[in-house]
Amino acid sequence: GAVVSQHPSWVICKSGTSVKIECRSLDFQATTMFWYRQFPKQSLMLMATSNEGSKATYEQGVEKDKFLINHASLTLSTLTVTSAHPEDSSFYICSARGSLNGEAFFGQGTRLTVV
Amino acid sequence: DAKTTQPTSMDCAEGRAANLPCNHSTISGNEYVYWYRQIHSQGPQYIIHGLKNNETNEMASLIITEDRKSSTLILPHATLRDTAVYYCIVRVGGAAGNKLTFGGGTRVLVKP
Repeated sequence: GAVVSQHPSWVICKSGTSVKIECRSLDFQATTMFWYRQFPKQSLMLMATSNEGSKATYEQGVEKDKFLINHASLTLSTLTVTSAHPEDSSFYICSARGSLNGEAFFGQGTRLTVV
Repeated sequence: DAKTTQPTSMDCAEGRAANLPCNHSTISGNEYVYWYRQIHSQGPQYIIHGLKNNETNEMASLIITEDRKSSTLILPHATLRDTAVYYCIVRVGGAAGNKLTFGGGTRVLVKP
């Protein structure tokens, strides 16, 4: 299957700082990217959907000013967690879907720990 | 997208076939059945999908009932590395389909 790469795979940051997570589609052009969050022993929760060159669509209850999403190119989307707090500690996963088919492929995830 | 119901957990023996059921009684005519799995601390991995015909690939087989209200994912020879949470999802296929909504999934433990 297609390859989606996330970076970093893990990050520890201090409370109040911002963290940027990158998601790249390595061998296809991703017209749509999705960002998920997963807390321990829970399922993936969709945070937002972004289409290249347009504003992201956020799911209900997700603060768009706190979780900034940029999808400036067909191979890169970024999620910035602004003013992070310990409750933002979670596993963040991106997914990308190309224009040639509808299958979604996932990155390996980023474990964020806010101390 | 239609909702799916899966057992919370199941065990299976290494080397034996693992049959994972999924109910999707409200599935629409243009919705596909997708299966993904998530090994601990990794992103989900696509396994297989189908509309109404049975499908097989190198990872698994997907059996969809004639009324499409349920399906079964079959791992023909389970290995310890197949231990994961398996998610059954229904959604409109192709580029017209939008987001993937994950339910609770089935936690599969393959035992020696």
